[in-house]
Amino acid sequence: ETGVTQTPRHLVMGMTNKKSLKCEQHLGHNAMYWYKQSAKKPLELMFVYSLEERVENNSVPSRFSPECPNSSHLFLHLHTLQPEDSALYLCASTLKSSSGGAGEQFFGPGTRLTVL
Amino acid sequence: GENVEQHPSTLSVQEGDSAVIKCTYSDSASNYFPWYKQELGKRPQLIIDIRSNVGEKKDQRIAVTLNKTAKHFSLHITETQPEDSAVYFCAGGGYNKLIFGAGTRLAVHP
Repeated sequence: ETGVTQTPRHLVMGMTNKKSLKCEQHLGHNAMYWYKQSAKKPLELMFVYSLEERVENNSVPSRFSPECPNSSHLFLHLHTLQPEDSALYLCASTLKSSSGGAGEQFFGPGTRLTVL
Repeated sequence: GENVEQHPSTLSVQEGDSAVIKCTYSDSASNYFPWYKQELGKRPQLIIDIRSNVGEKKDQRIAVTLNKTAKHFSLHITETQPEDSAVYFCAGGGYNKLIFGAGTRLAVHP
C-alpha cells in the first residue's frame, strides 16, 4: 500500500540526538495525525492537523515537535528523547469537510523508534 | 477525561466459533465508532465503522452494534477463521480526534 508512507521505518537514536520522522499521504486528504503505539497501551493521539489547524494533546512533552508544511506532508521532530519514548509512531490521514464529522483514518506503516 | 475501554484484552476461539469484543466510551459527544484490525507487524486497517444515527451495521461475517444510551458498542465476528487472528481496536470520537481502546488480541485456533 502506498497511500500513506512513513520514513524511516526504523530509527535508533541516543538521548542527545535530534531526528525527524516524515509522513506523506497521496490520498488528497486534509487532516493528518501522529499517534504513539506502545506495548500493551492504547494508540495515543499526539497531534492533529485538520484543515490547516493544529490541535495538540497537552500531555505530549515538548521534546516532540510537529510540523505540517502542507496538506500532504507531516513531520515529527524529536530532540532529547527518553528511553520511555521508544515506541511505534504511526501517522494517519483522513478527508474531512469543514462541517462534517470524523471519517476513516488511513494509517502509515509506522516508524519503530528506539531511544538508547 | 475522555476514554474508551475495551474488553477482553485477549480472546481465544476455535475456528468456526463467534467472537465478540465490547467497548464503552465516556464522551457523549462521540458520533463515530470505527473498528481497526492490526496484524502482526502491519498498520491498523479499518474493518467496519458505525455512526451514532445507526444502531447496527453488518458486512459479511462482521457486524457492529451501538447502544448510545448505554454508551457501548460491540464487534461481532461470526464463523471465525485463522486469518481473523490479529489485534482489534475500537475507537470513538468526533470531529477532530479518535480515542482508541487498548486492543483485543484475538487468536483463532484451527
